[in-house]
Amino acid sequence: GENVEQHPSTLSVQEGDSAVIKCTYSDSASNYFPWYKQELGKRPQLIIDIRSNVGEKKDQRIAVTLNKTAKHFSLHITETQPEDSAVYFCAASLNSGYSTLTFGKGTMLLVSP
Amino acid sequence: DTAVSQTPKYLVTQMGNDKSIKCEQNLGHDTMYWYKQDSKKFLKIMFSYNNKELIINETVPNRFSPKSPDKAHLNLHINSLELGDSAVYFCASSHLSSSGGYEQYFGPGTRLTVT
Repeated sequence: GENVEQHPSTLSVQEGDSAVIKCTYSDSASNYFPWYKQELGKRPQLIIDIRSNVGEKKDQRIAVTLNKTAKHFSLHITETQPEDSAVYFCAASLNSGYSTLTFGKGTMLLVSP
Repeated sequence: DTAVSQTPKYLVTQMGNDKSIKCEQNLGHDTMYWYKQDSKKFLKIMFSYNNKELIINETVPNRFSPKSPDKAHLNLHINSLELGDSAVYFCASSHLSSSGGYEQYFGPGTRLTVT
C-alpha cells in the first residue's frame, strides 16, 4: 500500500518568513495530493491540492509543487502569519471516488509574531 | 449549514462498554469514511463506504462495525471498548471538485476517551 513520509515534524518561523513542508510517497499509481490544515481541536480542512498532471499550483500565499519522477511534493507558504500556526498534513491517493487518503504524520507549524 | 456533522462531540466511557458515533452529510456525496486520529495526531483510514456499501476495511478489529442506513449517514459502533480505542474519530465524505480532485470534507470529530 501507499506510504507517505512528511518532514519536518515541527517548524518554527518568524512572521513574514517562508515555510516549506516536504512529503514523499511510495506508490507511483497515486495521482492526487491534497494538503490539509488542522487547527487545535478542529477538523482537518483542505487548503490546496494538486493532481499528477500538474507540476505546480498556487493560491495566494500557498503553493504546492510535485515531482512525479522523484515522488516528492511540497507545500510552500510565503509571508507567514500567526494564524498560519497549525498542523499541516500531506496526503496521497488514487484520484477516484472510492479512494482513501494516506496521510503523512503531520508538521506542526508555529509562526511567531 | 453544517456539511458533515458528528454526534457526540465528546464521549467518555469505561472499558468493556459498547458505544456508537453518528455521522451525517448533507452534501449529497456518495462516499463516506471513518478516520482515526491518535494522540500523536496521526490520521489513519478505518473504513470507506460508497453508496451504502463497504469498500475498504483497513485491518480494523471486528469490534468496530460501521453501518450505513443510507448514503447520507455512516455510523460507527464499537463493542467492548479498550483503552487503546481512545482517539479522535473523524467522519468524512468526498466528491469530485471543480479542480478534478476527489476532495474529502471532514466532520468536527468525536473525542473518545476510554477509562
